[in-house]
Amino acid sequence: AQKVTQAQTEISVVEKEDVTLDCVYETRDTTYYLFWYKQPPSGELVFLIRRNSFDEQNEISGRYSWNFQKSTSSFNFTITASQVVDSAVYFCALSEAGRGSTLGRLYFGRGTQLTVWP
Amino acid sequence: ETGVTQSPTHLIKTRGQQVTLRCSSQSGHNTVSWYQQALGQGPQFIFQYYREEENGRGNFPPRFSGLQFPNYSSELNVNALELDDSALYLCASSLEREGYEQYFGPGTRLTVT
Repeated sequence: AQKVTQAQTEISVVEKEDVTLDCVYETRDTTYYLFWYKQPPSGELVFLIRRNSFDEQNEISGRYSWNFQKSTSSFNFTITASQVVDSAVYFCALSEAGRGSTLGRLYFGRGTQLTVWP
Repeated sequence: ETGVTQSPTHLIKTRGQQVTLRCSSQSGHNTVSWYQQALGQGPQFIFQYYREEENGRGNFPPRFSGLQFPNYSSELNVNALELDDSALYLCASSLEREGYEQYFGPGTRLTVT
């Protein structure tokens, strides 16, 4: 069963628009961790944020913000005032910490290709 | 820069051959994981090493094997290469197994012909 779903395959916006990337996850563990990674054309995955299952406080960091809602099993990511340099593939990932889990193993979604046009 | 390095950057092999990919973890990290990323897909977990022991494996056959050394550098070995093994191979290191972000290397692009 797919544990992380990113329903948006591709999104195109024009510079300065706000854009939200959706992520829905599935797990039976009560302790788990959620991540967002960015993969620019160079290929290296860049860590953006980590959230644990007990911390539903949403966060804003510069132009980035995250909305974690356990009730809907969602962990969405918003870029405000997008820039051309934000163009990349964005991955949402889940790590489980329950009994029988491989601690630290990441389950990735299929990614969302974000293109920001000038 | 994550401090995680991988070699080689690119590799072309023939079906049936064997390949060894290398990863140097970020200083102080005792956990390394390997992922395979096919074109247009998210990375898939191959296995994880924690303090030199294999700690978990994804849905990959035994011809995928690995090692972690005392300095926490790591190798991924693939025997009897198949065309479907063509992918980007990523290694990631973390401070501990649970809850810590993983820092990824730039990857090795393997092409099997």
